[in-house]
Amino acid sequence: AQRVTQPEKLLSVFKGAPVELKCNYSYSGSPELFWYVQYSRQRLQLLLRHISRESIKGFTADLNKGETSFHLKKPFAQEEDSAMYYCALSGVGGSEKLVFGKGTKLTVNP
Amino acid sequence: DTAVSQTPKYLVTQMGNDKSIKCEQNLGHDTMYWYKQDSKKFLKIMFSYNNKELIINETVPNRFSPKSPDKAHLNLHINSLELGDSAVYFCASSQFGVTEAFFGQGTRLTVV
Repeated sequence: AQRVTQPEKLLSVFKGAPVELKCNYSYSGSPELFWYVQYSRQRLQLLLRHISRESIKGFTADLNKGETSFHLKKPFAQEEDSAMYYCALSGVGGSEKLVFGKGTKLTVNP
Repeated sequence: DTAVSQTPKYLVTQMGNDKSIKCEQNLGHDTMYWYKQDSKKFLKIMFSYNNKELIINETVPNRFSPKSPDKAHLNLHINSLELGDSAVYFCASSQFGVTEAFFGQGTRLTVV
C-alpha cells in the first residue's frame, strides 16, 4: 500500500536556525518523491522532486531508500519559509495519482 | 496567465443544494485531478481523468460527479450538499508519463 507519513504536524523554529521536515514512505516499487509547499491562502506548488536532485529556495531533500525517507532540509530558515509542507509520492510514469502526507506546518519566528 | 484556474474561489451554500466547481487548464496536459483538502489540511485525491476518461475514482460518495467535456476541463458537480463536504477542493493537471502536477488555487466550499 502507498503511504506517506509526516510525523510532525507542527514545527516551529527561529529565523536562521536549521530546519528538517521529516517524511517517510511506504511503496512496493520505486516511487517518485516530491515536496509541495502551500503558502498562506495560495495554491499548492511543487518545491522539489527527488529525481532532479536540485536545491530550491535553499531546500534540499535526499531520498534514502534504505530508510524509506525523504526528509526536507534547509540550513538557515527564513520567515518567508513559513508554510504548509506536503511530502508526496507517485508511481513512476503513467497518470499515477499523488499520495500526500498529512502535511507539516512550518512556522519560522523572527 | 494562469495555468490551472478554478471557479469559483469561494462558495457558500446551504445543505441540500447542488453546486458545481469548474476547472480549466491551459498547459496542454491530458490528465486532470480533483483533490479534497479537509479542515485538518489533509489532501486526498478524489478523481483523475486522462483524455476525458475516468481513470481514478477513489471512495467518494455518489453525490460527487466529475465531468470532463474535453481534456482541458474537469468540472465537479456535487448533489445534495452536506456539512461534511465543507473543504477546499483543488483541481490539478499533469501530462501523461510525467508525475509532476500543477494545482489550481482551490475552491473553498462552505456548507451551512
